[in-house]
Amino acid sequence: QQPVQSPQAVILREGEDAVINCSSSKALYSVHWYRQKHGEAPVFLMILLKGGEQKGHEKISASFNEKKQQSSLYLTASQLSYSGTYFCGTETVDRDDKIIFGKGTRLHILP
Amino acid sequence: DSGVTQTPKHLITATGQRVTLRCSPRSGDLSVYWYQQSLDQGLQFLIQYYNGEERAKGNILERFSAQQFPDLHSELNLSSLELGDSALYFCASSVEGLPYNEQFFGPGTRLTVL
Repeated sequence: QQPVQSPQAVILREGEDAVINCSSSKALYSVHWYRQKHGEAPVFLMILLKGGEQKGHEKISASFNEKKQQSSLYLTASQLSYSGTYFCGTETVDRDDKIIFGKGTRLHILP
Repeated sequence: DSGVTQTPKHLITATGQRVTLRCSPRSGDLSVYWYQQSLDQGLQFLIQYYNGEERAKGNILERFSAQQFPDLHSELNLSSLELGDSALYFCASSVEGLPYNEQFFGPGTRLTVL
């Protein structure tokens, strides 16, 4: 039931774009994205609800394709501050009130 | 600073012992979540409380228990500790405890079991 994130790790140069994917084997109601910097707590980025919506946060946006049971996080013109581990959390349509997080994608931005 | 506080910051103990981790949610938040983070498993949801009542349960071991008190702070009790329990334990809080609520994470408690 744990969502699968890909890739596991990404190394980019400042200004490059990245896409992080989150896939589930079950039908999803919502997808949550968090970023965690080394040695710090996870910080909320955005939540996407069933309906295929897209959202944006600065130069970070995400999409949710409920038919494919997956979400993608897009980071455009990456900045050094984007470095960290990105986690997606999913809630299935069972609405069991549980958010299950993936293992994370490590993103490292080089100057 | 998320407004969520956790104590202690670090805890070192021996196998077989029992420890208590404490969490105070943000002012106004009624729900508290507990997560375990280890290197190979990412963030594992343990349990959620809403206004003193258990709302959702994840992969929490029987050796672990939690409660939320009337003042809304929460405690996670870990007993008969094993080496594999060494991890970072996060507490998070949200306003209503609904899945579409943003969760605010505390700084975590790093538990080392020797």
